[in-house]
Amino acid sequence: DAGVIQSPRHEVTEMGQEVTLRCKPISGHNSLFWYRQTMMRGLELLIYFNNNVPIDDSGMPEDRFSAKMPNASFSTLKIQPSEPRDSAVYFCASSPNTGRGQPQHFGDGTRLSIL
Amino acid sequence: AQSVSQHNHHVILSEAASLELGCNYSYGGTVNLFWYVQYPGQHLQLLLKYFSGDPLVKGIKGFEAEFIKSKFSFNLRKPSVQWSDTAEYFCAVSPPARQLTFGSGTQLTVLP
Repeated sequence: DAGVIQSPRHEVTEMGQEVTLRCKPISGHNSLFWYRQTMMRGLELLIYFNNNVPIDDSGMPEDRFSAKMPNASFSTLKIQPSEPRDSAVYFCASSPNTGRGQPQHFGDGTRLSIL
Repeated sequence: AQSVSQHNHHVILSEAASLELGCNYSYGGTVNLFWYVQYPGQHLQLLLKYFSGDPLVKGIKGFEAEFIKSKFSFNLRKPSVQWSDTAEYFCAVSPPARQLTFGSGTQLTVLP
């Protein structure tokens, strides 16, 4: 049974470039979450979707960040233009729904380095 | 808004020592409680969860946690740690129909 799949696993790029992170949630899961993890700030929820609709994007740091979920099996997190302070590990997670007692299943993350 | 506090940022133990990691949350209503573990270079994995019923929850790898409602706590315990338990541990809280709120994490280092 495939888990949450993220790509790429690693990305190194120069500042100013556009970065696109991809996520395929577990089939049948209705909710999808994007997190950012850094040493300084720990694990931060950026945005989450329920049934492909963005529910709460209050964690998105600035307008340079955008996320989409065009269908139930795919989501992207885009940073344009990227800055060195965006360097972090970005995790995608999915759960059956946001109702009571549903644990989230995490992908392996994308380690992003902006030079 | 709910919040989760993990007061121990880094815990260092020798193998076979007993472990207790603290987790306190602030939310007045019914909550679901989770502990996740993140091994070096890996993603978060669910250790155990509490929804209702017996407040002492058994998880994988010999871990357990006790929900004490009066103290708003959900501490993680293991009687005897192993070197392979070296990881970062995250407590998380979820009121019904709301997303998870994670604590800041506790880095556990077990010395062989």
